[in-house]
Amino acid sequence: GAVVSQHPSWVICKSGTSVKIECRSLDFQATTMFWYRQFPKQSLMLMATSNEGSKATYEQGVEKDKFLINHASLTLSTLTVTSAHPEDSSFYICSAITGLAGGSHYEQYFGPGTRLTVT
Amino acid sequence: GESVGLHLPTLSVQEGDNSIINCAYSNSASDYFIWYKQESGKGPQFIIDIRSNMDKRQGQRVTVLLNKTVKHLSLQIAATQPGDSAVYFCAEFTSGTYKYIFGTGTRLKVLA
Repeated sequence: GAVVSQHPSWVICKSGTSVKIECRSLDFQATTMFWYRQFPKQSLMLMATSNEGSKATYEQGVEKDKFLINHASLTLSTLTVTSAHPEDSSFYICSAITGLAGGSHYEQYFGPGTRLTVT
Repeated sequence: GESVGLHLPTLSVQEGDNSIINCAYSNSASDYFIWYKQESGKGPQFIIDIRSNMDKRQGQRVTVLLNKTVKHLSLQIAATQPGDSAVYFCAEFTSGTYKYIFGTGTRLKVLA
């Protein structure tokens, strides 16, 4: 089956530093990748939709200058948390889908998540 | 029985019994509904999906029921096993916006 990896799986950083999280589709090309954020005992909250070669579309309330998303290839999207603060500590999960844009639902393959702790 | 925890409702079932997990969705224009299973510290795993023009779909040990009249979705797990213990999320996909919106989630605890 389709595999999505994330790196790192966990990271601890100091307040004010930036952290980059990578999301890769290992055996398929992903036209679209999604980035989610999940707090403990809560659901997944969509942060942004990332399409290869174009700017990411951010959900309302998500600061695009703080959460920089780059989708430079069909197999790699990155999320950079800039000037991280303790309130940014969370579980960040990416997912990838493939297929035609719009009109149809395609199975969403999730990465294993990245646990970010900002001290 | 069912209880509401701090954020996630919890459903406790005996091993071997059937489980029914419910979900209310919000957008009547959603095209697909999907159930995911998430184990602790991991990303969600696809279980089963259903198109909006269907009312029932069966998989291996799982059945999804869709009631569009009341915007309700359920996941039935037959002969629940310890390995089914996890948090279950429903999600709705809308082709107009091309994104997935997740429901609150339910923690399933299987009692031996």
